[in-house]
Amino acid sequence: KQEVTQIPAALSVPEGENLVLNCSFTDSAIYNLQWFRQDPGKGLTSLLLIQSSQREQTSGRLNASLDKSSGRSTLYIAASQPGDSATYLCAAGDYKLSFGAGTTVTVRA
Amino acid sequence: DTAVSQTPKYLVTQMGNDKSIKCEQNLGHDTMYWYKQDSKKFLKIMFSYNNKELIINETVPNRFSPKSPDKAHLNLHINSLELGDSAVYFCASSQDPGTTRNTIYFGEGSWLTVV
Repeated sequence: KQEVTQIPAALSVPEGENLVLNCSFTDSAIYNLQWFRQDPGKGLTSLLLIQSSQREQTSGRLNASLDKSSGRSTLYIAASQPGDSATYLCAAGDYKLSFGAGTTVTVRA
Repeated sequence: DTAVSQTPKYLVTQMGNDKSIKCEQNLGHDTMYWYKQDSKKFLKIMFSYNNKELIINETVPNRFSPKSPDKAHLNLHINSLELGDSAVYFCASSQDPGTTRNTIYFGEGSWLTVV
């Protein structure tokens, strides 16, 4: 059974600082690793999908890496802004997604 | 246009009642899902349908019954509601399940409170 852990559970940084969010998973036989953003009272928005054969994906200020052998993924958010405040969820995908509990990020202006 | 829409967004009901949550996607995807997010924020899959066929059925009480009238709709019916059913229920859809490129799109959630 796939188990996904996200550390830290919460993070507060001043605006402009880079964010590093960690995700670990127990079963490396995954098709992909996805990062989502969840705003309070809202659904999940897909940020990045890293296929199992890939090492990283980038979108704007976001960069996510994947190391299947160690069961880890890291989401980097450069030059954080108050609008980046949200909960970030990672999910390891085989035929379904197994989610971590998320990291709640607060970016202080 | 909203890609994955679900109704109602908020639902407060008494124990023992039966309720339904509806979901529709206009993305043309073949696969739809129901996920449950509990008070600790963990999201867990409940069901998945592909072209109206049930393909994933996790350990969910049989009081929960999904119904897919067509591949654009997946409704969730819950009988004899219990306090522990209080949660946020998310509908989602995707096009390529079981592949490396399977991006999943979520609705905005339905907040169910059982009193």
